[in-house]
Amino acid sequence: QVQLVQSGAEVKKPGASVKVSCKASGYTFTSYGISWVRQAPGQGLEWMGWISAYNGNTNYAQKLQGRVTMTTDTSTSTAYMELRSLRSDDTAVYYCARGGGFRELLSPWGQGTLVTVSS
Amino acid sequence: DIQMTQSPSTLSASVGDRVTITCRASQSISSWLAWYQQKPGKAPKLLIYKASSLESGVPSRFSGSGSGTEFTLTISSLQPDDFATYYCQQYNTYWTFGQGTKVEIK
Repeated sequence: QVQLVQSGAEVKKPGASVKVSCKASGYTFTSYGISWVRQAPGQGLEWMGWISAYNGNTNYAQKLQGRVTMTTDTSTSTAYMELRSLRSDDTAVYYCARGGGFRELLSPWGQGTLVTVSS
Repeated sequence: DIQMTQSPSTLSASVGDRVTITCRASQSISSWLAWYQQKPGKAPKLLIYKASSLESGVPSRFSGSGSGTEFTLTISSLQPDDFATYYCQQYNTYWTFGQGTKVEIK
């Protein structure tokens, strides 16, 4: 079955960077994009951006432009999301989801990775 | 950017109740609307896509309707497993989520 498995929880200091991984299985990795969505504690869902696993094209949410980089490693069917210059309001659960192409659904989702930014 | 507005924010209901959640888009999104269910500590789960198509494996008590800017999610007879938070999401132009509707036990 299609499955996305994410890396474990992280604790970072303000100003640091974090890199979250998302390993896909059960489908042809390069046939779909991977999107990233985050959820601050007690809050709703915020789309962060997506990457085409086929050609590496990316599209980032405007508010994160310049701080986020999404990459893929097709040899291991793994997607990565790096967020730099972390602030306390970046504390959230970060999800990857299959999908992200034009009018493409986001499903399924990874289990989520809690990133805590605290001094 | 397309904004999505859900109502109500919280809904109190009993097992067996018929429940309706509304989602409005700030501009027409045709039928490019999905509904997700999220339980505490879990990832969202896709329920409905293309406004009214039921995802495989999702119980038939869930249904969706609407097009353009107005959409609804209906649970025909609320079950104990349905107490959760529900999000609408447009995927006409990138992806935007509604703020969520928490369905709680009355």
